Amino acid sequence: GAVVSQHPSWVICKSGTSVKIECRSLDFQATTMFWYRQFPKQSLMLMATSNEGSKATYEQGVEKDKFLINHASLTLSTLTVTSAHPEDSSFYICSAPLGLAGWNEQFFGPGTRLTVL
Amino acid sequence: AQSVAQPEDQVNVAEGNPLTVKCTYSVSGNPYLFWYVQYPNRGLQFLLKYITGDNLVKGSYGFEAEFNKSQTSFHLKKPSALVSDSALYFCAVQDYGQNFVFGPGTRLSVLP
Repeated sequence: GAVVSQHPSWVICKSGTSVKIECRSLDFQATTMFWYRQFPKQSLMLMATSNEGSKATYEQGVEKDKFLINHASLTLSTLTVTSAHPEDSSFYICSAPLGLAGWNEQFFGPGTRLTVL
Repeated sequence: AQSVAQPEDQVNVAEGNPLTVKCTYSVSGNPYLFWYVQYPNRGLQFLLKYITGDNLVKGSYGFEAEFNKSQTSFHLKKPSALVSDSALYFCAVQDYGQNFVFGPGTRLSVLP
């Protein structure tokens, strides 16, 4: 099946620094990718929809200037957490849809654990 | 708006016994329903889906789920639980915009 990768798998950074997380569709093209955030012992919450060639669509309550999304190509979306703070520590997961038989199956990346000190 | 409920935060079952993880949903049209499993510090692993067709869906690792339209439920089941099934399970519904709405998750503990 289709594979989505994320890099890095984990990252520790100091407060105030920026961190970039990559999401790649390895064997298919994705004009759309989704970014989710998962806090400990909680469910996944959609943060934004990344669109190749256009601006990302953010969910209500998600700061656009803090979570910068760039869909650079049909196989790569990046999420940059700018001026990270401890409350940004979370598990970030991306997904990409692959159209099959009239509906789109989602393939999820393995996630990136961000810890901000 | 679409929503997914998993009424149990935690389910405990003895190894070898059948298990059920409950899920109910609310959607405006025909539901696309999914079950995923998550192990610690890992991403989501797909178990099974219901799009159309037979109400009983069979998936990975011996899991199955039954779509019940009248009860708006999509409970996950397995006839005989394994200790290795212990994990966090998410029910999800996919909307027409392709993104997922996840339930809060149910932690399954299979006791040896």
